[in-house]
Amino acid sequence: DGGITQSPKYLFRKEGQNVTLSCEQNLNHDAMYWYRQDPGQGLRLIYYSQIVNDFQKGDIAEGYSVSREKKESFPLTVTSAQKNPTAFYLCASSLGTTDTQYFGPGTRLTVL
Amino acid sequence: QKEVEQNSGPLSVPEGAIASLNCTYSDRGSQSFFWYRQYSGKSPELIMFIYSNGDKEDGRFTAQLNKASQYVSLLIRDSQPSDSATYLCAVKPMKTSYDKVIFGPGTSLSVIP
Repeated sequence: DGGITQSPKYLFRKEGQNVTLSCEQNLNHDAMYWYRQDPGQGLRLIYYSQIVNDFQKGDIAEGYSVSREKKESFPLTVTSAQKNPTAFYLCASSLGTTDTQYFGPGTRLTVL
Repeated sequence: QKEVEQNSGPLSVPEGAIASLNCTYSDRGSQSFFWYRQYSGKSPELIMFIYSNGDKEDGRFTAQLNKASQYVSLLIRDSQPSDSATYLCAVKPMKTSYDKVIFGPGTSLSVIP
């Protein structure tokens, strides 16, 4: 089955630690995205990538980093510089020539 | 001015009624419009998209687009308790250089049995 997978489903981090969230897709989509969702709020774009080896900052990139070494994979690292990382993180992908984005199941990050 | 606005709700409708969800956007040149449904604790799932003025129907769902008035709405006929969720409106502004979609804050819908 084609789809987007994210792991882990739940992640706990101590203050000062970096953590990496995984996102993999087998839809052969060129574009991939990372969003953050806080309780009762909409989605905010962190980073996006249109093609392999290229990515751009979104609206709230500070304290985050990404890589896009393979078409299928777009991992997100939440660094210790991110002051308030507790949130629901969503990965999405889309074909390069269409607009429809499809979401993975999400990772819920909690800072202890 | 926020780019995409929705009433936060909660919107409560009785089972079997029509639920009407509204969304307004600021960029007059916007071309693509999407409705996603998000159950509590889950990720958004696409319900439908619309590009042209008028109505687009898919089962119990109808999307309505009025570019002149800059609003898009979602009607849910014969509402069921399983329709209780947050509905996200998403808009693709014309002037961005890539497939960036702007999401509204969502409207919470509660269907009362």
